[in-house]
Amino acid sequence: DAGVIQSPRHEVTEMGQEVTLRCKPISGHNSLFWYRQTMMRGLELLIYFNNNVPIDDSGMPEDRFSAKMPNASFSTLKIQPSEPRDSAVYFCASSLVAGAQETQYFGPGTRLLVL
Amino acid sequence: GQNIDQPTEMTATEGAIVQINCTYQTSGFNGLFWYQQHAGEAPTFLSYNVLDGLEEKGRFSSFLSRSKGYSYLLLKELQMKDSASYLCAVRDPTGGFKTIFGAGTRLFVKA
Repeated sequence: DAGVIQSPRHEVTEMGQEVTLRCKPISGHNSLFWYRQTMMRGLELLIYFNNNVPIDDSGMPEDRFSAKMPNASFSTLKIQPSEPRDSAVYFCASSLVAGAQETQYFGPGTRLLVL
Repeated sequence: GQNIDQPTEMTATEGAIVQINCTYQTSGFNGLFWYQQHAGEAPTFLSYNVLDGLEEKGRFSSFLSRSKGYSYLLLKELQMKDSASYLCAVRDPTGGFKTIFGAGTRLFVKA
């Protein structure tokens, strides 16, 4: 299995531009998570989906952020317009919720720098 | 509220034993995870506890006390490659089974 795939791995953009991050979860997993990690705030959950349906988006910072999961094998996180404070590593993770245990498998992350 | 506390940094010597503590206060509890994260890499799963007691897996062990809201990760026979951040995370079933991560403990292993 290829694991969770994220693209791009690195993104440098200018303030005000639209940024789209992409994620392909592990085949067969039914939950998908978007996280943001910074030195100051650690790992923060932005939003998560279960069976392609958004369950909790309370971590989404503001209306500039949106996420979609049109099917079980693809999700996007969009920032429009981007701001310098959005600079962070964005991780996508997927899991199979089966019984009590749920192990999340993380993708390699997208390192975003907004100038 | 939701709160997970871990020490910010720890230093230990190669070959020694180190214990990383985690205390949590969450609305609900449905399991506690430990993840390892090397610098510049993604977190990777280490252990999962849902019942009280000690779970051993090779050089790593994890302990849970639900009544105390407390867990620790024990690393034995430390190796230089164990230098990493260790993240404690709690799965909270209220509001849809959200997993909440602590800020992580940076472990430095010295020769």
